[in-house]
Amino acid sequence: EVQLVQSGAEVKKPGESLKISCKGSGYSFTTYWIGWVRQTPGKGLEWMGTIYPDDSDIRYSPSFQGQVTISADKSINTAYLQWSGLKASDTAMYFCARHPNYSGAYSGSRPDPDAFDIWGQGTMVSVSS
Amino acid sequence: QSALTQPASVSGSLGQSITISCTGSRSDVGRYNLVSWYQQHPGKAPKLMIYEGSRRPSGVSDRFSGSKSGNTASLTISGLQAEDEADYYCCSYAGSKTWLFGGGTQLTVL
Repeated sequence: EVQLVQSGAEVKKPGESLKISCKGSGYSFTTYWIGWVRQTPGKGLEWMGTIYPDDSDIRYSPSFQGQVTISADKSINTAYLQWSGLKASDTAMYFCARHPNYSGAYSGSRPDPDAFDIWGQGTMVSVSS
Repeated sequence: QSALTQPASVSGSLGQSITISCTGSRSDVGRYNLVSWYQQHPGKAPKLMIYEGSRRPSGVSDRFSGSKSGNTASLTISGLQAEDEADYYCCSYAGSKTWLFGGGTQLTVL
């Protein structure tokens, strides 16, 4: 079964650091882009950034550039999202999601990402003093 | 980059059809044929319903269909069923491996 399994809920204080994870299984983890998506309580989805695990090529949303760091460890099929100094406004549910390559098109050696087909179960991050 | 624009809510009766719009710009929806739609039930992860504007992943009911005209994409659900009540989000590729989501639409089935 193709799946993404995320790390558990976190409760943190402002200023603390945090790294959450997303482990893929059932497919070739290194050859699909993985995205991170934020959902604030009662609000919509926001794309944060996307990484290609094979070579760690990363693209960030301008809204999140400099606010978070996305990384991956292809040896253990895991992508990460981390903060160095959490704020109360970071309180949200965070999803990782796989980008399929339905078109079969490539840019260089990397597949062109297309939508988000497999989603993790989400990691709730709560930041409060 | 601004979020794509969706109506906050739509409603329809059992068995009827509804359409949800998603308006972007010439730089995203209008430029690329990479609009996708997601269904999200409360407390659950989003589920891919439509990709590349009008294609359905395996297992998604053919009651769901997508289309695009200019800078606006649309999701149509025909033969509304109670289990269709959920939030729906559109998403578009915006170039250089970046993506934009819409604000979401809450569907109520009457």
